[in-house]
Amino acid sequence: EIVLTQSPGTLSLSPGERATLSCRASQSVSSSYLAWYQQKPGQAPRLLIYGASSRATGIPDRFSGSGSGTDFTLTISRLEPEDFAVYYCQQYGSSPRVTFGGGTKVEIK
Amino acid sequence: EVQLVESGGGLVQPGGSLRLSCAASGFTVSSNYMSWVRQAPGKGLEWVSVIYSGGSTYYADSVKGRFTISRDNSKNTLYLQMNSLRAEDTAVYYCARDRRVAAAGTWDYYMDVWGKGTTVTVSS
Repeated sequence: EIVLTQSPGTLSLSPGERATLSCRASQSVSSSYLAWYQQKPGQAPRLLIYGASSRATGIPDRFSGSGSGTDFTLTISRLEPEDFAVYYCQQYGSSPRVTFGGGTKVEIK
Repeated sequence: EVQLVESGGGLVQPGGSLRLSCAASGFTVSSNYMSWVRQAPGKGLEWVSVIYSGGSTYYADSVKGRFTISRDNSKNTLYLQMNSLRAEDTAVYYCARDRRVAAAGTWDYYMDVWGKGTTVTVSS
């Protein structure tokens, strides 16, 4: 099973700052199989990024994804108040079984 | 509008059973891969099961032999039958459309539509 490790566990930043979230896989994962989700309290996850770097429909361009192999990154260029949430990476490299990372909480400093 | 609505959650005793439903609108369940994902209180996301458009089914090791995923094409609805429930099955259960989209010589995999979730509590 491919394990995804997200870091940091919590990121304390102010609105307007840049957020860099890391997702590391225990084995190489095809970029096509790597996605990022945002989850706010009491809400379902929301797809942000698929294919490691493609933004989902309606996602602002301040969100960007990058990486390959075992190291992937989600960057939020300038944090807006609505961006404070938990972010999960997800991989399908061991499809049909899917795994998620443990999540990174982006909180207001 | 593309939408998923889960129902069927509740409080059940250990060893009991529950069937979750996920009604889809705006797209056809049988033409898509569909997954169940759960989230224990205060924890992260855990994939539970998937049913392919062709009917193949797969499960996480934690639920294999106890849970069954299925669909009713006439009702455009996905189900999760949960038997022999344990305290560790307590979670919010989400259904999600699980896409396989052709892109530049490969296929992108992701879950693009999620329901709001239904809560399952296993406790005596």
